[in-house]
Amino acid sequence: DAGVTQSPTHLIKTRGQHVTLRCSPISGHKSVSWYQQVLGQGPQFIFQYYEKEERGRGNFPDRFSARQFPNYSSELNVNALLLGDSALYLCASSLDLRSYTFGSGTRLTVV
Amino acid sequence: AQKVTQAQTEISVVEKEDVTLDCVYETRDTTYYLFWYKQPPSGELVFLIRRNSFDEQNEISGRYSWNFQKSTSSFNFTITASQVVDSAVYFCALSEAISNFGNEKLTFGTGTRLTIIP
Repeated sequence: DAGVTQSPTHLIKTRGQHVTLRCSPISGHKSVSWYQQVLGQGPQFIFQYYEKEERGRGNFPDRFSARQFPNYSSELNVNALLLGDSALYLCASSLDLRSYTFGSGTRLTVV
Repeated sequence: AQKVTQAQTEISVVEKEDVTLDCVYETRDTTYYLFWYKQPPSGELVFLIRRNSFDEQNEISGRYSWNFQKSTSSFNFTITASQVVDSAVYFCALSEAISNFGNEKLTFGTGTRLTIIP
């Protein structure tokens, strides 16, 4: 069975640009969560979607947005990139809202 | 607010030694879950254990064991007879409700980098 897949694996963007990160959950999982992990820190919660509805939002600026599609895949969008947005972005899917399976992440570098 | 503290930033031990990773948490919830994840260099967070706040029994899984003590708000992780493959960053995490529908987010500690020396 395929796990949580994220694309792209690596990305380099320039300050001020926009980026879209993608996540496909495990088949049957209806919940997707996004986390940002800055180097040397633990992951920080950004969003959670369940059945295409936003169920939670972390303490991130409005430049960060996300959505979930009918097939439960998800996109994370970040506008007006800042150097501080450089991080590993992790997606997690869940079947029961109790266990979370993470993908390998997208490593974003903003230059 | 929820908080998870992993005071040990880095630990190095010689292979076959036992090692304990500490985790202390803060929460006002009466029902919560505690987690441990392993993060190898590839970046993926690998699930190790989930423990319900009402279950204080220690758990053992092969060389791994976990000690949950509600009285001290600690959830420590011990690796027995460590191996080089255990080298990774280990994160402790605490669940927190974010909606009335049962949705939760995870609050992570800052992680402990474990290096097993051959």
